[in-house]
Amino acid sequence: GQSLEQPSEVTAVEGAIVQINCTYQTSGFYGLSWYQQHDGGAPTFLSYNALDGLEETGRFSSFLSRSDSYGYLLLQELQMKDSASYFCAVRVGGSARQLTFGSGTQLTVLP
Amino acid sequence: DTGVSQDPRHKITKRGQNVTFRCDPISEHNRLYWYRQTLGQGPEFLTYFQNEAQLEKSRLLSDRFSAERPKGSFSTLEIQRTEQGDSAMYLCASSSGTSSSGELFFGEGSRLTVL
Repeated sequence: GQSLEQPSEVTAVEGAIVQINCTYQTSGFYGLSWYQQHDGGAPTFLSYNALDGLEETGRFSSFLSRSDSYGYLLLQELQMKDSASYFCAVRVGGSARQLTFGSGTQLTVLP
Repeated sequence: DTGVSQDPRHKITKRGQNVTFRCDPISEHNRLYWYRQTLGQGPEFLTYFQNEAQLEKSRLLSDRFSAERPKGSFSTLEIQRTEQGDSAMYLCASSSGTSSSGELFFGEGSRLTVL
């Protein structure tokens, strides 16, 4: 089976930088994704890492180390609208290569 | 394109009743997924369709659950003889299968409450 660990809650102030870590144990690993979900909303895709290293998309960056089974999401210049749950998800094998999600990290951005 | 749409958005039912949820994926997407999400948890994979073929089912999908995608477009998820433990958000997602990231586009879900 698969398991993912990420902190349950993180709090930061507007304008700050926050890092959300994710460690995973899985077989048939294809890559690590990050999704954002606001209360009552749909999960939305943020980033995907298949190879080691850093991927940058605007204020958000994601990092992967396959050898350490570890990744993180870095959010810079935090804004109030970034308050949401953030899920790491491993893409595993099978025909669907479906995503297995972590339990999520609730980010609260304070003014 | 309006994205993935799900109906109904909320359903309250009594234990033992049957419920059905509908998902309309993004029109050009041939892959469709059903996930279940409970409060404070991430989405859990239930089943996957490629076009009209149901190719994978999770062990979470008991015999009371059935999903169809008859024409490879919309999909339905039926839960028979609902139990209180079925209370959850049922999320539908679709993808094109051509993206290297495997990005899933989720609907806003159908929230089921079983009394």
